[in-house]
Amino acid sequence: ILNVEQSPQSLHVQEGDSTNFTCSFPSSNFYALHWYRWETAKSPEALFVMTLNGDEKKKGRISATLNTKEGYSYLYIKGSQPEDSATYLCAFRDFGNEKLTFGTGTRLTIIP
Amino acid sequence: DAGVIQSPRHEVTEMGQEVTLRCKPISGHDYLFWYRQTMMRGLELLIYFNNNVPIDDSGMPEDRFSAKMPNASFSTLKIQPSEPRDSAVYFCASSFGSTAYTQYFGPGTRLTVL
Repeated sequence: ILNVEQSPQSLHVQEGDSTNFTCSFPSSNFYALHWYRWETAKSPEALFVMTLNGDEKKKGRISATLNTKEGYSYLYIKGSQPEDSATYLCAFRDFGNEKLTFGTGTRLTIIP
Repeated sequence: DAGVIQSPRHEVTEMGQEVTLRCKPISGHDYLFWYRQTMMRGLELLIYFNNNVPIDDSGMPEDRFSAKMPNASFSTLKIQPSEPRDSAVYFCASSFGSTAYTQYFGPGTRLTVL
């Protein structure tokens, strides 16, 4: 069983502040790491797929970094807005296995 | 493209009844995944197909669950007989290529078994 952990479980951030959270995954046999954004009553929406150590991806005010050697990825949100309120999920895939293992997510609430 | 389509969006049924959930993947996608989301276990993979062939069903909880993909544009997840502990949101997702590529999720089916 693969262990994919996200921290913190939940987070309240003042509008305009920047924030970040972590996804930890096994450092051996790494293949890909996905980030999803999941708003309440909607379906998960893909943010990034990362495959290379040192990879950095950016989409507007959201960016992510990847360290496959130590088994973690950070998601950053700059200048939080109320519409950023959602649960952010990471999902890990290792070599020889086509399945994604999801973390339990970080629930982000932006306080206006 | 309309995205991944699931039906019904909500299903309320009584224990012991058969439940069939439906999914239409994005046209051209060759992978289809069924997930279940619960408060206790988060998002867990039940089964996935590649080119309509089931590849891994190790996440299917028990024999009461079955899934089929008769063609590239349609899949079903069936629960027979249903039990209250099956109550969850069931998501279907599809991708082009393996899971190094983005999975696109449908809106989910919220199942309540009374």
